[in-house]
Amino acid sequence: DAGVTQSPTHLIKTRGQQVTLRCSPKSGHDTVSWYQQALGQGPQFIFQYYEEEERQRGNFPDRFSGHQFPNYSSELNVNALLLGDSALYLCASSLVDRGLTDTQYFGPGTRLTVL
Amino acid sequence: SQQGEEDPQALSIQEGENATMNCSYKTSINNLQWYRQNSGRGLVHLILIRSNEREKHSGRLRVTLDTSKKSSSLLITASRAADTASYFCATDGGGYNKLIFGAGTRLAVHP
Repeated sequence: DAGVTQSPTHLIKTRGQQVTLRCSPKSGHDTVSWYQQALGQGPQFIFQYYEEEERQRGNFPDRFSGHQFPNYSSELNVNALLLGDSALYLCASSLVDRGLTDTQYFGPGTRLTVL
Repeated sequence: SQQGEEDPQALSIQEGENATMNCSYKTSINNLQWYRQNSGRGLVHLILIRSNEREKHSGRLRVTLDTSKKSSSLLITASRAADTASYFCATDGGGYNKLIFGAGTRLAVHP
């Protein structure tokens, strides 16, 4: 049973560029959440996708957008990259039950460096 | 904003000793989860405790939850060098399990 997978593992971009990160959820899960973790800090919630729609959003600008596909996989897109976007981006999957999600399982993350 | 706050920020112990980490949060919750992270990799889920539970065990881990004090603790017994990692508590803020993390406790276990 495959866990949560993310690609790529590492990515280097320059300011102003755009980036797309990908996530495949754990088998049987229908909800994908994205988090940003800056060095030395805890992860911060970006947004969550369920039934191909953004269900919740954290305090991130519109430069951060996402998508969920019918097979529940998801993409995170960041436009007009800033130096401050350098971070570990984590994807987590979970299963909705009676309107509440349960344990979230995290992937290994994508390390994004913006130069 | 970060809801959970872990205490201490860093902890250094010898193998075989117990390690206790505390977490405080601000709003009502449905559940609280503890995660471990090794060297900037992905988070590994340790335990989920629901708001109507007071204590939960998993192997060498024991988690307590006091909703009246809005606090939780994670106890690792008989620690090993392999337990060296950062530990985070995360709450759902009473919503759709949008996890809110603290800054974590960095645990170092020395052989």
